[in-house]
Amino acid sequence: GAVVSQHPSWVICKSGTSVKIECRSLDFQATTMFWYRQFPKQSLMLMATSNEGSKATYEQGVEKDKFLINHASLTLSTLTVTSAHPEDSSFYICSARKALETQYFGPGTRLLVL
Amino acid sequence: EDKVVQSPLSLVVHEGDTVTLNCSYEVTNFRSLLWYKQEKKAPTFLFMLTSSGIEKKSGRLSSILDKKELFSILNITATQTGDSAVYLCAVEAGTYKYIFGTGTRLKVLA
Repeated sequence: GAVVSQHPSWVICKSGTSVKIECRSLDFQATTMFWYRQFPKQSLMLMATSNEGSKATYEQGVEKDKFLINHASLTLSTLTVTSAHPEDSSFYICSARKALETQYFGPGTRLLVL
Repeated sequence: EDKVVQSPLSLVVHEGDTVTLNCSYEVTNFRSLLWYKQEKKAPTFLFMLTSSGIEKKSGRLSSILDKKELFSILNITATQTGDSAVYLCAVEAGTYKYIFGTGTRLKVLA
């Protein structure tokens, strides 16, 4: 199979704090991982693409200093929302891609910033 | 600008009906088109289409791509309440660049 996990599933934090979300490919090595953001009743918006061992490529309009991505290994990528504010509240989904295959999505992390 | 447009936005049918969901696209560097089903959490993969005219089937679901007219359809026959979900179409436009449509929200009534 191709299973991707995310941790945590839910996080509630105060404004100004930083939140780290982990994305792991459990049974395969992911050459590339993607981070998406989804607002209620809207589609997935790609935030950034990361390859293991190199810097992430951010989509236009996504602040790289605000959303720090670290792709430390072929099975782990982390997204850190720095100094989170209420407007950062959203559903964050990662996906991982096996070589020459499609991407497999994690279950998502719901972030609520108070 | 690359874009993916899905229609209809929302659809309500009764169990047993057949539905057709549409996805049209305009991208500069098409590689593949993908369909996903999203219930409460993250999307689950349904189909990946790369060639025109070849139908992909999985149970009651089928999909086909027309690269000349730049669209794809997803058919669901004999719908069941468990088919209620948002169906997302995405186009891989270049290496590692996925563009998603807004989705079609399907509700199947018992």
